[in-house]
Amino acid sequence: KNEVEQSPQNLTAQEGEFITINCSYSVGISALHWLQQHPGGGIVSLFMLSSGKKKHGRLIATINIQEKHSSLHITASHPRDSAVYICAVRSYNTDKLIFGTGTRLQVFP
Amino acid sequence: EAGVAQSPRYKIIEKRQSVAFWCNPISGHATLYWYQQILGQGPKLLIQFQNNGVVDDSQLPKDRFSAERLKGVDSTLKIQPAKLEDSAVYLCASSLRRVGELFFGEGSRLTVL
Repeated sequence: KNEVEQSPQNLTAQEGEFITINCSYSVGISALHWLQQHPGGGIVSLFMLSSGKKKHGRLIATINIQEKHSSLHITASHPRDSAVYICAVRSYNTDKLIFGTGTRLQVFP
Repeated sequence: EAGVAQSPRYKIIEKRQSVAFWCNPISGHATLYWYQQILGQGPKLLIQFQNNGVVDDSQLPKDRFSAERLKGVDSTLKIQPAKLEDSAVYLCASSLRRVGELFFGEGSRLTVL
């Protein structure tokens, strides 16, 4: 079993829909990162959080430390949001970053 | 603020040849990472530097890969000799401190024929 699990693996949506991507992890962490990767492109850091909730534009990230779970929400989705979204956690014990396998999102106009 | 710079963006070589990638992190960032990302997979850490010291190189294939970060600023990653399975995107990332927000470069895409 992977230490970081994301769901769903693939997601398609119509423009304007509300989107949720989930991340569950099994290790103690000091921080959780949400990353975005466009096809053929580099990786952009969206959020780094260790508790509560963060918001940036149409993106919202939440984390529940007790349940070892985080969600990334996209409100009013747009075709330019089409990308792979990656959850990565920093292990409290080893200090290493552990990556999820990513969620591929496609938003159609 | 300038981002993480990487070069070259693309490189095609034949197996057994050598290749070098260069990374210039964001100014002042003490931590630098090199990741290998094979198509369809998540990034795999090759090496992590803290200033000019190596923090973690446990997954670096040291028989063919080498990396250095002289003076604790920019870094080079070298592969010699390359194998077909080294075809991947090599991502450089930096952060202000060990547990900090990550900033990635655009990546260097290597194709080994």
